[in-house]
Amino acid sequence: KNEVEQSPQNLTAQEGEFITINCSYSVGISALHWLQQHPGGGIVSLFMLSSGKKKHGRLIATINIQEKHSSLHITASHPRDSAVYICAAHRMYSGGGADGLTFGKGTHLIIQP
Amino acid sequence: DSGVTQTPKHLITATGQRVTLRCSPRSGDLSVYWYQQSLDQGLQFLIQYYNGEERAKGNILERFSAQQFPDLHSELNLSSLELGDSALYFCASSVEGSTGELFFGEGSRLTVL
Repeated sequence: KNEVEQSPQNLTAQEGEFITINCSYSVGISALHWLQQHPGGGIVSLFMLSSGKKKHGRLIATINIQEKHSSLHITASHPRDSAVYICAAHRMYSGGGADGLTFGKGTHLIIQP
Repeated sequence: DSGVTQTPKHLITATGQRVTLRCSPRSGDLSVYWYQQSLDQGLQFLIQYYNGEERAKGNILERFSAQQFPDLHSELNLSSLELGDSALYFCASSVEGSTGELFFGEGSRLTVL
């Protein structure tokens, strides 16, 4: 079992729909990142969360530390939102240190006009 | 534009060869991370440097090594290349050494023939 699990793996929706992508993790974390990767490869960091909720434009990210779960929501989805969305956890060690990210396998999102 | 520069963008080489990938972090960022993205393994953390010192190590092969120089740019050296090393190699930088918003370069695509 991967330490970071995402669902769904693939999602196709119509323009305007509300999108939710889920991420569950099984390790203690210091922060969780949501990343976006468009065809062609470039990666953009959307959010970094350690608690609560963050909003940027039509994107909302939430995290529940007790349940070890995070969600990424897209409101009023648009074809330009089509991309791979990747959840990544900064693991935390008992000494307080954190290491590089552990990644989920990504959610391939396609928004059809 | 994330401010992180990676060179070269594309590299084709033969098995057994050695290559060096270069990363210049955003101005002011002290931490550099290296990641590998392959079709079968997804994104994996390789290694992190903070202000010239190795901070954390992930799934980096012994054939691979990295360093961060006094001007904070970093190089990832891949030697005795195998077909399976073909992948996208991403560099990311952040201000903080532990957790912080990450800024990704556009990646270096390595093809080993």
